[in-house]
Amino acid sequence: KAGVTQTPRYLIKTRGQQVTLSCSPISGHRSVSWYQQTPGQGLQFLFEYFSETQRNKGNFPGRFSGRQFSNSRSEMNVSTLELGDSALYLCASSYGDDRLNEQFFGPGTRLTVL
Amino acid sequence: AQKVTQAQTEISVVEKEDVTLDCVYETRDTTYYLFWYKQPPSGELVFLIRRNSFDEQNEISGRYSWNFQKSTSSFNFTITASQVVDSAVYFCALKKNTGNQFYFGTGTSLTVIP
Repeated sequence: KAGVTQTPRYLIKTRGQQVTLSCSPISGHRSVSWYQQTPGQGLQFLFEYFSETQRNKGNFPGRFSGRQFSNSRSEMNVSTLELGDSALYLCASSYGDDRLNEQFFGPGTRLTVL
Repeated sequence: AQKVTQAQTEISVVEKEDVTLDCVYETRDTTYYLFWYKQPPSGELVFLIRRNSFDEQNEISGRYSWNFQKSTSSFNFTITASQVVDSAVYFCALKKNTGNQFYFGTGTSLTVIP
């Protein structure tokens, strides 16, 4: 079974630009969660999508948005980039139902904002 | 509110020594799940173990063992006879019974010196 894939792996943007990150979950997984990892704040939950609907949302500004497609692939968008958005963005997938199941993480997208 | 504390920021041990990584959590829920993940330099979070709040049985998997104590809200992780390949950042996480949001600790960076 293929693991969680994220594209691109590395990205360099400048302040004010917008960026879209992509995540393909493990086959059969319907839940995709996004996390931001920074040295100062650690791993912080952005949002979770399940069956194309946002099911949970963390405490991030509206510049951070996402969506999920019918094949469970998910995209995350950050508009009007700020220097502080530089981080490793991790995507995780799981079955997302009531089963006790762990989240499987992708390798992440390293975003650098200049 | 959920909170996970990993008080040890960095630990260094010499190869073959045993090392314990501490994790203390806070939650008012009676049903919850605890996890440990390993993050090697490549960045991808690797699942190690999950435990639900009703199962306080300790677990051993090879050189890894976990001690879950509800009375002290702790879920500690011990590596026996550490090896250089164990060098990584280790995260403890808590998940509520509903939803898929993980609350991560700040991580413990383990360096095993040959």
